[in-house]
Amino acid sequence: QSVLTQPPSASGTPGQRVTISCSGSSSNIGINTVNWYQQFPGTAPKLLMYSDYQRPSGVPDRLSGSKAGTSASLAISGLQTEDEADYYCAAWDDSLNGWVFGGGTKLTVL
Amino acid sequence: EVQLVESGGGLVKPEGSLRLSCAASGFTFSRYSMNWVRQAPGKGLEWVSTISSHSDYIYYADSLKGRFTISRDNAKNSVFLHIDRLTAEDTAVYYCTRDLSLGMPGGFDSWGQGTLVTVSS
Repeated sequence: QSVLTQPPSASGTPGQRVTISCSGSSSNIGINTVNWYQQFPGTAPKLLMYSDYQRPSGVPDRLSGSKAGTSASLAISGLQTEDEADYYCAAWDDSLNGWVFGGGTKLTVL
Repeated sequence: EVQLVESGGGLVKPEGSLRLSCAASGFTFSRYSMNWVRQAPGKGLEWVSTISSHSDYIYYADSLKGRFTISRDNAKNSVFLHIDRLTAEDTAVYYCTRDLSLGMPGGFDSWGQGTLVTVSS
């Protein structure tokens, strides 16, 4: 059971907009920023979004992050087949004194 | 270019121990906190431990305290993870990651390719 809650799956067709949610609590998302990671099968994860909505260099602006209260979201617009991957949210938890992850969301592009 | 290369994984018997290493290059290693994150086969990501740039603060996942020891050698640009009393539940790919922040933990902006630890008799 992950501390952060994500839907196990999400899907969309090319060109659509998809949103992946991440729900936490007052000890993690409620007071700390959220990061998002993308992972393709058999490869290491990659930082996709940090500090709630900041994109690292090279991440296209059709990806965006947001946060409200104890929940965060990753939105992907103009969905492309190469977006098909697993997505994880993470935040520092002040009660646990450590990082907590969501269980991951498998995004399928139909 | 930031490079993180893990080594030390392999097949280990239950109750055995293991030391994982991560060699860093392409950045000023002594300025960054470093982390270990693991992923069991077919499962999600699990944070293991964080060590600050000069080992001033060290954090472990609650469920792993007592068996895992993180350390670093800034002169050798390396971070290590020692694991004692291994169980089947420790079977995972272990990733070395660099923290994106120079201060408090900020996240994992660079990842190694991972090293697989398999615990089995």
